[in-house]
Amino acid sequence: RKEVEQDPGPFNVPEGATVAFNCTYSNSASQSFFWYRQDCRKEPKLLMSVYSSGNEDGRFTAQLNRASQYISLLIRDSKLSDSATYLCVVDNFNKFYFGSGTKLNVKP
Amino acid sequence: NAGVTQTPKFQVLKTGQSMTLQCAQDMNHNSMYWYRQDPGMGLRLIYYSASEGTTDKGEVPNGYNVSRLNKREFSLRLESAAPSQTSVYFCATEQGFGQETQYFGPGTRLLVL
Repeated sequence: RKEVEQDPGPFNVPEGATVAFNCTYSNSASQSFFWYRQDCRKEPKLLMSVYSSGNEDGRFTAQLNRASQYISLLIRDSKLSDSATYLCVVDNFNKFYFGSGTKLNVKP
Repeated sequence: NAGVTQTPKFQVLKTGQSMTLQCAQDMNHNSMYWYRQDPGMGLRLIYYSASEGTTDKGEVPNGYNVSRLNKREFSLRLESAAPSQTSVYFCATEQGFGQETQYFGPGTRLLVL
């Protein structure tokens, strides 16, 4: 079983839409959680960390559900520039495990 | 500040050839990592160095060796390249070790024929 699983998508949404991604992880002892963004043929970059209480950064909201072992990312008012692949990352004992990513296409 | 740099950007090898991928950082970070990224598989950890002078295997270390030359540099060596090592290789750094943000280099695209 993979450490981290994501729906690969693609999610095709119009500008202004709200879109949500989920990610599940297998190790209940996982300690830290992140969302990274990766543009085509570029390196991953941190989008936001995910805290137990949930956290928000502008149009982006991340949630953690330890009981069900999933994390989520909500993007409100989607922009064309949000088109990218979103990687879910889980830290197990100081090793990062990456999901294979969810592709988002925001269309005019 | 350049952040994390990787050389080369692209490389084509024949099966059995050797090469070294270079990674350097000017962020004064303690930990450095090598990942490979294949379609549909996400990034997988090859080797890491929690601090200068130490290296450890990650999830997929077979066929690779690493050297943490100093705090700034962490190289990845393929002694005898195989087509299965065709991938995009990313180096990453982290201030501490674990539970913090990792910063990635631009990647090296390697094709083994």
